[in-house]
Amino acid sequence: GEDVEQSLFLSVREGDSSVINCTYTDSSSTYLYWYKQEPGAGLQLLTYIFSNMDMKQDQRLTVLLNKKDKHLSLRIADTQTGDSAIYFCAEWGDTGGFKTIFGAGTRLFVKA
Amino acid sequence: DGGITQSPKYLFRKEGQNVTLSCEQNLNHDAMYWYRQDPGQGLRLIYYSQIVNDFQKGDIAEGYSVSREKKESFPLTVTSAQKNPTAFYLCASAEGPGLAGNSYEQYFGPGTRLTVT
Repeated sequence: GEDVEQSLFLSVREGDSSVINCTYTDSSSTYLYWYKQEPGAGLQLLTYIFSNMDMKQDQRLTVLLNKKDKHLSLRIADTQTGDSAIYFCAEWGDTGGFKTIFGAGTRLFVKA
Repeated sequence: DGGITQSPKYLFRKEGQNVTLSCEQNLNHDAMYWYRQDPGQGLRLIYYSQIVNDFQKGDIAEGYSVSREKKESFPLTVTSAQKNPTAFYLCASAEGPGLAGNSYEQYFGPGTRLTVT
């Protein structure tokens, strides 16, 4: 079945850029998303990209999509301690039966 | 102010008891979802509903039940048949499929942490 994979941990220094990577298997993915989860809270949608795009920028966030390699990345510029959280990659496509498939999440640690 | 609410935030139950988790949304979304999250793990889909009076099993439906009698509400019952019910439960909603321009992103509630002893 469809799968989304992410590395589990990433540690960066405050002020540096963070890059969180994700790979997916569903070649018919239509939308790909990045969600953020702070401790003890629900998930918050950060941004999403349509599959016919290869880049989307929103303030400090840049999403890159390599559809050929089924690779998605989220770059956070000037990472702050408030960015420390779990980041989930997710995809939605026709083969998912209207279900969104989530990765296991990448825990981002930002060191002051 | 539109959103999705879950109550209570923390819930404690004795083993063998059924418990119902509440999820309400005022976003006028057709689709609603229940996920389970265990420590250090991603989300696992329990049940989902694309429209009122209809719902489907997700990947881990055993020991759970749901109802969707109203568009705004999608309660989840954790039954005594669920072998390991202690977890963080997340409810989400989304616009239904088939709407033009729909990007299907899900909106999440704040979660309910259930502890069964």
